[in-house]
Amino acid sequence: QLQLQESGPGLVKPSETLSLTCTVSGGSISSSSYYWGWIRQPPGKGLEWIGSIYYSGSTYYNPSLKSRVTISVDTSKNQFSLKLSSVTAADTAVYYCARRGRMDLWFGEIRWFDPWGQGTLVTVSS
Amino acid sequence: DIQMTQSPSSLSASVGDRVTITCRASQSISSYLNWYQQKPGKAPKLLIYAASSLQSGVPSRFSGSGSGTDFTLTISSLQPEDFATYYCQQSYSTFMYTFGQGTKLEIK
Repeated sequence: QLQLQESGPGLVKPSETLSLTCTVSGGSISSSSYYWGWIRQPPGKGLEWIGSIYYSGSTYYNPSLKSRVTISVDTSKNQFSLKLSSVTAADTAVYYCARRGRMDLWFGEIRWFDPWGQGTLVTVSS
Repeated sequence: DIQMTQSPSSLSASVGDRVTITCRASQSISSYLNWYQQKPGKAPKLLIYAASSLQSGVPSRFSGSGSGTDFTLTISSLQPEDFATYYCQQSYSTFMYTFGQGTKLEIK
């Protein structure tokens, strides 16, 4: 079945750029049915959607993070990546990648995140 | 932005209990509402989409209802493996997804 795995440094210094990659296995990232997304969770807190990308490279981001976020895709490697610039301690979190599924129902298009990667903790500290 | 508010924030219950968790949206979101379960140290897992549709493989003791601004997740008979944190999420906004703050379900 489809699996996602996050990878990248677990420690980033303040003001630097956080970089993570999500590797998709058991399915193609180039499927026309899905977008792919990043979601984060500060320790002991709730979930925050960061942004999503289509295999063509089309992206959309959380407005609160948009000025610092770049999400890209590499279809040849079946991967998509997250870059978050100018990080501070407030960016310390577990970062998850996930597939964004969709279905057309009588009232419109419903979208959800499933499955998710296991998550990776990124700590921002000097 | 659409804000999602869950209640209660935490809940103690016993095995076999019927439990209901509420999620309220700051504006009408029709049925664009999903529920997730997260166990400690694990990624969230999709339970219900479109307010009331059970994701494949999810036990039938889980059910969802509601539309507009008020939604509920019900567990008909709590099992030991159901003690976790539950999140609602709206997808009404085409380019912005928001989650509720979570409801932690603990063993009484």
